Amino acid sequence: RKEVEQDPGPFNVPEGATVAFNCTYSNSASQSFFWYRQDCRKEPKLLMSVYSSGNEDGRFTAQLNRASQYISLLIRDSKLSDSATYLCVVDFSGGGADGLTFGKGTHLIIQP
Amino acid sequence: DTAVSQTPKYLVTQMGNDKSIKCEQNLGHDTMYWYKQDSKKFLKIMFSYNNKELIINETVPNRFSPKSPDKAHLNLHINSLELGDSAVYFCASSQVIAGVPTYEQYFGPGTRLTVT
Repeated sequence: RKEVEQDPGPFNVPEGATVAFNCTYSNSASQSFFWYRQDCRKEPKLLMSVYSSGNEDGRFTAQLNRASQYISLLIRDSKLSDSATYLCVVDFSGGGADGLTFGKGTHLIIQP
Repeated sequence: DTAVSQTPKYLVTQMGNDKSIKCEQNLGHDTMYWYKQDSKKFLKIMFSYNNKELIINETVPNRFSPKSPDKAHLNLHINSLELGDSAVYFCASSQVIAGVPTYEQYFGPGTRLTVT
């Protein structure tokens, strides 16, 4: 069973605030985890991979909890340009060639 | 110098028609995919091709058939279109390096299909 669950939101957050959202996945043997970003009427783009030790890229921090099977994304000092849908993505097969399983996305709206 | 391109961008057609969507990537990747994003924004994989071989085929109707004339192209042909086929279809590609997949998938801009 391959399932990725996310809260669809929308999350309405004032500019400058910190926002965090999680997703859960169904298979404990899952290999790789990612956050993708999708702007309205655009294609998804990789935001960051999620490593077991956690990783940070500027204002973005991703963490993985294998025991509880969830992934988190934290955005600090949010900008208006962060408004988008954030897709939690899991590779269940251990190889990218089998495709990725996407969550339904969390819609984030940063308000001025 | 678009990495992954799709044509057409918009496609409006009537039920029962047959249509094709084309996808090309100039990244030199060896694996290409088709995804469907429905009205609820759920993105789901349909097919992937690696070195011109179909390696997965999710439970999509056999009215959908991917065709790959070469490594840089993966076209999607749809027969007898139905109302429920209306969605955005995304093509994507990725690369295997030294037997290890690189997990980043590059997506095309999408084809918005409307069946009336």
